[in-house]
Parts: sequence; structure tokens; C-alpha cells
Amino acid sequence: KAGVTQTPRYLIKTRGQQVTLSCSPISGHRSVSWYQQTPGQGLQFLFEYFSETQRNKGNFPGRFSGRQFSNSRSEMNVSTLELGDSALYLCASSLPTRAISTEAFFGQGTRLTVV
Amino acid sequence: AQSVTQLDSHVSVSEGTPVLLRCNYSSSYSPSLFWYVQHPNKGLQLLLKYTSAATLVKGINGFEAEFKKSETSFHLTKPSAHMSDAAEYFCVVSVMGGGGNKLTFGTGTQLKVEL
Repeated sequence: KAGVTQTPRYLIKTRGQQVTLSCSPISGHRSVSWYQQTPGQGLQFLFEYFSETQRNKGNFPGRFSGRQFSNSRSEMNVSTLELGDSALYLCASSLPTRAISTEAFFGQGTRLTVV
Repeated sequence: AQSVTQLDSHVSVSEGTPVLLRCNYSSSYSPSLFWYVQHPNKGLQLLLKYTSAATLVKGINGFEAEFKKSETSFHLTKPSAHMSDAAEYFCVVSVMGGGGNKLTFGTGTQLKVEL
């Protein structure tokens, strides 16, 4: 069974540009979440999508947005990049249940560097 | 609001000796708790999860954790450390919100294993 796939693995962008990251969840998983990991702030929740709808949102500015397609694949977009957006962006997928016991399975991440 | 506190940012042990990584949680409800491990430049791998069943939870690679409600703790242990255990470990609480799957991470404990 294939795991969570994130593309690309590495990205270098210039300040002011925008970037789109992609995540393909485990087959059958309909919930996709995004997290930002930085040395200073640790792992922070960005948002979660389920059945093409944003179900939860973290405390990030509107420059961070996402979407989910009918096949559960998800994209995350960051506009007007800032140096502080440099981070490892992790995608996680989980089964569609309201139980709080659902564990998330993570991809290897996309390492974004803003110069 | 739910939160987790990892009491040690760095732990160093000798190979073959026990490992103890400490985690305290705060939750208004019965929490779901997880331990994840992250090796350098890798995504997060689930070690084990607590979901209100048995309080002693066994995970992969010989790790286990005990849920203690009276102490609001969920410490991770392993009887005998191996060099391959060197990594960063995250204690995580699952937050219910909108029926979604939002994870709140601790700040991480870097485990060093020495010969």
C-alpha cells in the first residue's frame, strides 16, 4: 500500500513569488492535513480538508491556502512568499471518521527555501 | 484547549540502557495521544497511540507508553536503546474540532544514543 506522497521534495523560491505544493494521500483516506515545521515554531497545524471542504484551520495568514480534489489529492498554496515561510511542509492523511482516535500518516515533506 | 508539554528537549543515553521521554498533556476531554518519531530529513512515523482502551500501549520497535490520568502524563519508554533510535520524538494530542483531525504537537525531544 503506497504511503502519502508529497511533491516536490525540495523547492527554492524568491521572496514575493508564490508556490504550490502537492499531496497524494493513502488510497481510501479522505482527510488531508497540512503542517508547517520550523526550528523556531516547531510543528504547527495549517489546515485540514475532507471531501473537498476545509474542515479545520490553524492560525496562519490568508497567504496560506489549500484545496482538495475529488480524488482526495490536496494542494497547498503560499502567495507572496516571505523569508519566514522557509520550512518543511508536511502533509498527513487519515481515515474519514469522527473518532478522535484516528492516527495520521505523514509524507516525507516538501522542504521550501525562500531566498 | 488541548496541549502537550515535552519536559526534555534533549535526552542522551548509552546503547543498551533504558529510554524515558516525558510528556504531560492538558485536555478538557478524554484525549487521544500519540508518539511520533522523525529521523533526519524524513517525515513523521507513528510509534504508538492511546485511545482510551488499555492504559499501557505497546508500539513499534520495542517502545511503549503508559497513560496516567491522575498525573496527566504519557511518557514513552524503551527497555534498551539502539543506535537506530536516535531521532526526534514528538508527543501529540488529537483535538476534536468540526469533527476533524487536528493534531497538536509538543516541542519535541531529541534522543541521542551513544556507544
